[in-house]
Amino acid sequence: KAGVTQTPRYLIKTRGQQVTLSCSPISGHRSVSWYQQTPGQGLQFLFEYFSETQRNKGNFPGRFSGRQFSNSRSEMNVSTLELGDSALYLCASSLGTEHYGYTFGSGTRLTVV
Amino acid sequence: SQQGEEDPQALSIQEGENATMNCSYKTSINNLQWYRQNSGRGLVHLILIRSNEREKHSGRLRVTLDTSKKSSSLLITASRAADTASYFCATATGRRALTFGSGTRLQVQP
Repeated sequence: KAGVTQTPRYLIKTRGQQVTLSCSPISGHRSVSWYQQTPGQGLQFLFEYFSETQRNKGNFPGRFSGRQFSNSRSEMNVSTLELGDSALYLCASSLGTEHYGYTFGSGTRLTVV
Repeated sequence: SQQGEEDPQALSIQEGENATMNCSYKTSINNLQWYRQNSGRGLVHLILIRSNEREKHSGRLRVTLDTSKKSSSLLITASRAADTASYFCATATGRRALTFGSGTRLQVQP
């Protein structure tokens, strides 16, 4: 079956702009989680959506937002980009219950200049 | 914040040797998972061990869990150059999202 698809793979944006990243989970998976990965901070949890509802949220400013559609596809948006937002953004899907692992996409590499 | 901390941060071994990575965490967990990440790519799920399990095997991987010490170890036997990657432990607590450790970078020399 198809894996987790993230688009785009690479993105270059200018400070102050906004960006939208997309994630299509594995068919049948209702949970989508987003993580930010940087060399200095490692893997930081952004938010998790389950059946179109935000179930968990990490400690990121309100500039970071997300949503999930009825087909489980998810988007995350970052407004007013800052240089520090440059990172690999990873999306993971799962069945949403506690004893299943996550399947990750290949990520979107965002560079803010 | 990160729940798990891996040790060592970096490990370099020769092909054929065993590699052991350790993970410590702070709070009670439902399960602990190990993932592998090749440079700049997404993470790949390796193995999940529940809090009531002590040891689990999958191919060349062996994971142990000691809930009294809040620690886990991942052993890769007979390592190969293709095992070169970063390895992360992640803890699951209740309905909260997975929390990842800082990772161990493994280099397997051919």
